[in-house]
Amino acid sequence: AQSVTQPDARVTVSEGASLQLRCKYSYSGTPYLFWYVQYPRQGLQLLLKYYSGDPVVQGVNGFEAEFIKSNSSFHLRKASVHWSDSAVYFCAVSGNSNNRIFFGDGTQLVVKP
Amino acid sequence: DTTVKQNPRYKLARVGKPVNLICSQTMNHDTMYWYQKKPNQAPKLLLFYYDKILNREADTFEKFQSSRPNNSFCSLYIGSAGLEYSAMYLCASSSGTGGYEQYFGPGTRLTVL
Repeated sequence: AQSVTQPDARVTVSEGASLQLRCKYSYSGTPYLFWYVQYPRQGLQLLLKYYSGDPVVQGVNGFEAEFIKSNSSFHLRKASVHWSDSAVYFCAVSGNSNNRIFFGDGTQLVVKP
Repeated sequence: DTTVKQNPRYKLARVGKPVNLICSQTMNHDTMYWYQKKPNQAPKLLLFYYDKILNREADTFEKFQSSRPNNSFCSLYIGSAGLEYSAMYLCASSSGTGGYEQYFGPGTRLTVL
């Protein structure tokens, strides 16, 4: 069965601190992995994606994620967060055999000034 | 231009009345999706069109209808709104039959009273 687990419903960090948002997935085929962000009162925006190749992928606004196949994980990282990064972050998985993307429940990121 | 547009942005409806939401994209994507998003939950896929073929999820099959008069436009229709339909409705589009990234619109916030 396809699923995504984001174990942390809410993460609070201070501005300037480093960040890791956790994501684990279950997918029977070759996974395509995504991180989306939803700012207040907006739709979802793609941060980064992984299809194949280098397991560390760079995204917008200094975000990156690492695909670790042995651990079925795709954690999101940022070296130094800004207050404007406060949002809800969704990890998602899909594959080349269907049109569906499976989303996690999201992690609310709160950046304290 | 990776733009998906949705109208209206906010919709107020009465219980038992119909609701029609509109989505458009100019990227010539072959697949268009509708999701329901409630607070602290993952986006829930309601249905999607691949070209002219409509696929509706089994658990929401009878609650939502859709039409796609041309490649650029897709609507979501609720025949009789209930209180439980209050949510954000997100439209997305993607290219290709595989699990490629989806581009989301800003959403329509539906409130049913």
